[in-house]
Amino acid sequence: EVQLVQSGAEVKKPGDSLKISCKASGYAFTTYWIGWVRQMPGKGLEWMGIIFPGDSDTRYSPSFEGQATISADKSTTTAYLQWSSLKASDTAFYYCARSEYASSPIFDNWGQGTLVTVSS
Amino acid sequence: QSVLTQPPSASGTPGQRVTISCSGGSSNIGNNFVYWYQQFPGTAPKLLISRDNERPSGVPDRFSGSKSGTSASLAISGLRSEDEADYYCTSWDDNLLTALFGGGTKLTVL
Repeated sequence: EVQLVQSGAEVKKPGDSLKISCKASGYAFTTYWIGWVRQMPGKGLEWMGIIFPGDSDTRYSPSFEGQATISADKSTTTAYLQWSSLKASDTAFYYCARSEYASSPIFDNWGQGTLVTVSS
Repeated sequence: QSVLTQPPSASGTPGQRVTISCSGGSSNIGNNFVYWYQQFPGTAPKLLISRDNERPSGVPDRFSGSKSGTSASLAISGLRSEDEADYYCTSWDDNLLTALFGGGTKLTVL
């Protein structure tokens, strides 16, 4: 069974750094893309970017380029989303999801989501 | 502001057929597949319709998708109370080089 299990909720202050995780199991981790999707409170879905763990090829939405960093560790079959300096506007649910393609928003399996709250 | 336009809300009574529209442009819907996701409060989205009109395994045939030009639609027939959720369309955009989502449509079953 394919599973994507995300790390727990985080409460941070503006300026803090943060790295959230997405542990994959039940399939060949290096043969699918892992994408990240943001959902701000009460708002819609936004495609942030995607990574191919097999070679770490990473693509970002222009809206999120430079705002956060996507990475993956093949040895632990885990994908990551990290920030070096959080802003209040980063408060949102973040979902990881699996895809066969980089340039197509077809995600067949999703993590449960990680709520990140940034507040002073 | 979303580049794919959906109505913010839709409603119907049990048994009815409802449709949700999704309007885009030539660089997204007009040239790429459309996908639809269903999301219940507090849960992750679920793929409902793939490649314009394909239903993934396990999705009831009450759900169907269609596309014409730069617009797409999700139809739900035989509406049930458990269909009450948020629905999102999405498509890749060749100019922006990103996936675009519609703003979402909240479906209420009266």
